[in-house]
Amino acid sequence: QSVLTQPPSVSGAPGRRVTISCVGSSSNIGAGYDVHWYQQLPGTAPKLLIYGNTNRPSGVPDRFSGSKSATSASLAITGLQAGDEADYYCQSYDTLLRGWVFGGGTKLTVL
Amino acid sequence: QVQLQESGPGLVKPSQTLSLTCTVSGDSISNNNYYWSWIRQPAGKGLEWIGRIYFTGSMIYNPSLESRIAISVDTSKNQFSLRLSSVTAADTAVYYCARVHVGAGKNNWFDPWGQGTLVTVSS
Repeated sequence: QSVLTQPPSVSGAPGRRVTISCVGSSSNIGAGYDVHWYQQLPGTAPKLLIYGNTNRPSGVPDRFSGSKSATSASLAITGLQAGDEADYYCQSYDTLLRGWVFGGGTKLTVL
Repeated sequence: QVQLQESGPGLVKPSQTLSLTCTVSGDSISNNNYYWSWIRQPAGKGLEWIGRIYFTGSMIYNPSLESRIAISVDTSKNQFSLRLSSVTAADTAVYYCARVHVGAGKNNWFDPWGQGTLVTVSS
């Protein structure tokens, strides 16, 4: 059971917008630690999507955006494409667990 | 462009020690802007951070695995390694190595990742 809680699955039609939540607590996101997001396409390694809550690495389309508030964070994907079907993970640091932690992952299905 | 490649046995017997090496190309493992880390993922499950090391040899481990882990670095070969002792079936997973950006405090992220290597614990 992950200390960062994500919905197991989300779905949306092509062209639509979806959001994926990442709920933490006062020992991680609520303690002020940044949230980072990764995309894992089927059969591949995770790839950095968002770092430092809102920043996109070079090459990541601006259809992907991140936000953070109090004890949670969100990843928004607009203009959904079939190629966006993947598992998405949030990541932060937890002071109680004394280490980096990941959310349980969210499977995105493009209908 | 930095690349990481995991290598090591794909099958380990229960109670034995799992040993993996990550070879870094396109960047120096002595770059003081980065840590180097191991992460694993059991089939169909989420990601678990194992530990990280700095080129100086300074390491931090996941407390839940700390008693069984050793991570080392070889700057002459631009490699870092993982040893996980007393393995059980629960240690069966894809093991990834990754570069860790040294941000402010513990605000670190993993980029890029190696392609991963499946290690199965079975007799």
